[in-house]
Amino acid sequence: KQEVTQIPAALSVPEGENLVLNCSFTDSAIYNLQWFRQDPGKGLTSLLLIQSSQREQTSGRLNASLDKSSGRSTLYIAASQPGDSATYLCAASTGANSKLTFGKGITLSVRP
Amino acid sequence: NAGVTQTPKFQVLKTGQSMTLQCAQDMNHNSMYWYRQDPGMGLRLIYYSASEGTTDKGEVPNGYNVSRLNKREFSLRLESAAPSQTSVYFCASSGLAGVSTDTQYFGPGTRLTVL
Repeated sequence: KQEVTQIPAALSVPEGENLVLNCSFTDSAIYNLQWFRQDPGKGLTSLLLIQSSQREQTSGRLNASLDKSSGRSTLYIAASQPGDSATYLCAASTGANSKLTFGKGITLSVRP
Repeated sequence: NAGVTQTPKFQVLKTGQSMTLQCAQDMNHNSMYWYRQDPGMGLRLIYYSASEGTTDKGEVPNGYNVSRLNKREFSLRLESAAPSQTSVYFCASSGLAGVSTDTQYFGPGTRLTVL
């Protein structure tokens, strides 16, 4: 059974800092790895999806990497801003039908 | 293009009452999903529908039933609500049936309290 872990559960950084959010998974036979953002009281918004054949994906200030052999993914946020404050969840897709196994998320606070 | 919509946004039930959570998507997606999100537990898959006419259990299906009414709509029913079903429920959809390469798009959630 796939298990996805995100540590730490919470992180507070000053504005402008570059930061890395970590995600680990136990079953390396994944189809893809997805990163989502969740604002308080809201649904999830997809940030990046990395296919199993890819090593990384970039969107603006965000860069996500995938290392299947070590069971790790990282989300890199450059030049963090207060608007980046949210909970970031990673999810691994294993098996057919795009079923996702989620980590519990990292709550990020960027201080002005 | 509204994406994924869910109704109601909030609901309070008494133990033993029944209700149906509605979900609709306008992206012509084949697959649809129901998750629940609980503090400390993360998101867990309740049921999913890979394509119109099919449904399958996820990680936590007990106490729930689903109906894939058509390609657009996927409903979740609680026949006899219990306090343990107090949660935030999210519906999601993705594009290609049987091809695990697509991003899932989420609705805004239904916040359910069972007293």
